[in-house]
Amino acid sequence: DTAVSQTPKYLVTQMGNDKSIKCEQNLGHDTMYWYKQDSKKFLKIMFSYNNKELIINETVPNRFSPKSPDKAHLNLHINSLELGDSAVYFCASSLPGLPPETQYFGPGTRLLVL
Amino acid sequence: DAKTTQPNSMESNEEEPVHLPCNHSTISGTDYIHWYRQLPSQGPEYVIHGLTSNVNNRMASLAIAEDRKSSTLILHRATLRDAAVYYCILKSQGGSEKLVFGKGTKLTVNP
Repeated sequence: DTAVSQTPKYLVTQMGNDKSIKCEQNLGHDTMYWYKQDSKKFLKIMFSYNNKELIINETVPNRFSPKSPDKAHLNLHINSLELGDSAVYFCASSLPGLPPETQYFGPGTRLLVL
Repeated sequence: DAKTTQPNSMESNEEEPVHLPCNHSTISGTDYIHWYRQLPSQGPEYVIHGLTSNVNNRMASLAIAEDRKSSTLILHRATLRDAAVYYCILKSQGGSEKLVFGKGTKLTVNP
């Protein structure tokens, strides 16, 4: 009964390939997020969706395309992978409204681009 | 987004209290103080939040200075499982929903 799940957990691929990471939440939340944690351990927001609509896009290259088929899913597709895309990608969800608007994070997807 | 300043690292012994400080001198009146932590190889998890008054929950306590320019996360009895990076984050009510993570404080708990 994992609240926020991500697949795959590990992803090793070659430069130039296209790959997708999937995220699902069973918390009934309206908002979902993608964060990237680089090799220096900095965690940074990439995208946020509310009820399948994009609300935050933090100047991420357009090789990254999030897709939300329904409010329980937010997938991340990455085209033409580059070495610098190697990182851990975390999905999160929250129920906006009154504070604290707690965000619940998934376990992460460790992407290594060779 | 308002910024926070935390020590890079702290150490504690098991079963002793730990006080993790955070400075946020540019905090605005609508900013809530949130704490998250990230255990090794896991995603961040919510710990506690507050606005003006001190707060307690089953995980920790949050002490907020009267002028709100600083706060302290208190773990009453550290366990090995509390070893993690602790992030102090300011988040406005009604503002952007994103969390802006700083470098955090890496807490080491010695047995």
